[in-house]
Amino acid sequence: QKEVEQDPGPLSVPEGAIVSLNCTYSNSAFQYFMWYRQYSRKGPELLMYTYSSGNKEDGRFTAQVDKSSKYISLFIRDSQPSDSATYLCAMKGSGGSNYKLTFGKGTLLTVNP
Amino acid sequence: SAVISQKPSRDICQRGTSLTIQCQVDSQVTMMFWYRQQPGQSLTLIATANQGSEATYESGFVIDKFPISRPNLTFSTLTVSNMSPEDSSIYLCSLRRGPGNEQFFGPGTRLTVL
Repeated sequence: QKEVEQDPGPLSVPEGAIVSLNCTYSNSAFQYFMWYRQYSRKGPELLMYTYSSGNKEDGRFTAQVDKSSKYISLFIRDSQPSDSATYLCAMKGSGGSNYKLTFGKGTLLTVNP
Repeated sequence: SAVISQKPSRDICQRGTSLTIQCQVDSQVTMMFWYRQQPGQSLTLIATANQGSEATYESGFVIDKFPISRPNLTFSTLTVSNMSPEDSSIYLCSLRRGPGNEQFFGPGTRLTVL
């Protein structure tokens, strides 16, 4: 079992839809959870950074962490064509080798006008 | 956030040659990181570059293949040596900053080896 599993998609939605992107993980030492957005031919851009379980909202984006289920989600409300990108989840623990980021493979999202 | 620049942005190279990728950041950092992003694969950490000491390589990556320099606190280079088509990938420079040690990435260098 890979440490982080992420459905690669592709995911295609109409403009204005609510998008749900998900990752599961197996390492219970992970405590910090991130979502990155990567446009084509660009580097990953940090979108959301969360610690522990719960929700964090930033504009149209909500990150959700459920540590008991080892499951994280990113919700995008009122999706726009400019949200079309690959979304990467990433996570890390603290201390020792757990400080290193472990990434999912990314989900390719297309928002159609 | 962070301002990270990389040169070159892309290159097409012949098998057996070497390419050096440069990374410049906007302010001093202790650690810089080099990642590889192969098509359809997760970002993979190659090595951590500390100023004033040898780089620390991850399992599967060796200094002879990926020598790294870190001459000061705002600059690092990664060389991909004796390239083969399997080295075709995006190479990304990265740093950590902020209260939560958030990780930021450069724009990447897209390498194609023929």
